[in-house]
Amino acid sequence: EPEVTQTPSHQVTQMGQEVILRCVPISNHLYFYWYRQILGQKVEFLVSFYNNEISEKSEIFDDQFSVERPDGSNFTLKIRSTKLEDSAMYFCASVAGGRDEQYFGPGTRLTVT
Amino acid sequence: AQTVTQSQPEMSVQEAETVTLSCTYDTSENNYYLFWYKQPPSRQMILVIRQEAYKQQNATENRFSVNFQKAAKSFSLKISDSQLGDTAMYFCAFIAANAGGTSYGKLTFGQGTILTVHP
Repeated sequence: EPEVTQTPSHQVTQMGQEVILRCVPISNHLYFYWYRQILGQKVEFLVSFYNNEISEKSEIFDDQFSVERPDGSNFTLKIRSTKLEDSAMYFCASVAGGRDEQYFGPGTRLTVT
Repeated sequence: AQTVTQSQPEMSVQEAETVTLSCTYDTSENNYYLFWYKQPPSRQMILVIRQEAYKQQNATENRFSVNFQKAAKSFSLKISDSQLGDTAMYFCAFIAANAGGTSYGKLTFGQGTILTVHP
C-alpha cells in the first residue's frame, strides 16, 4: 500500500540553525500539508500546498518557515533560524482528491537545543 | 473558524469492554467531514474512521463506530471489545467541504484523549 514517507525521523539542531524536513507524498496525490504537534498537545495546521504554491497557511507559519516541492516527488519544510519553541513533531500529509482523506507520514521529531 | 473539543483528557477501559470517547465541534459550514485518528506511542497518525456530515447513517469500521449527532454537533467514538493494541491517543478532527462533498482544506484537531486499555 502506498504511504507517505518522511526523513529524518529525528533531527537535533542548535537554536538559530536552519533545518529542512523532507517528505515524499503518495505519488498520485496533488495536495500537500504540514502539521505540527508540540509534545502532549494537539496537532496544528501549518500550511497547505497545491499546484506549486501555498494555498493556505496558519499564524504559526511565519517568515521563518517556507515550503517547496523541488521535484516531482519531494515536499520540504524549511525553518530558517530555529527557536527552542520549534521543538515538536512535524507531520506531512497528502491527499489525492477532495473526497479522500489525508494520509499522514510517520513524522519527524525536531529537537532544538 | 471551526473548533473541536475533546473534554476527556484520559480514559481507561478493561480489555474486551466497550468505551466511548466524546467530541464536540462548532462550525457554520453546511457540509464537512469528521474523523477519528489514533496516535499510538510511535506517534504515527492512523485514520480510524470517517463520517460525512450529509450522511445520516453512522459510520462503522469493525470494532469502531461513531454516534454522529449533527444538530448537537457531537461526534463520539465507540470502541467495542477493546484490545491492548487500542491503547493510544485519539484525536477527533474536522474538515470543511463544499456542497459537492469535496474538501481540500486543513484538518482542525481536538486536544486528544489518551485511552489506556488494561488487561
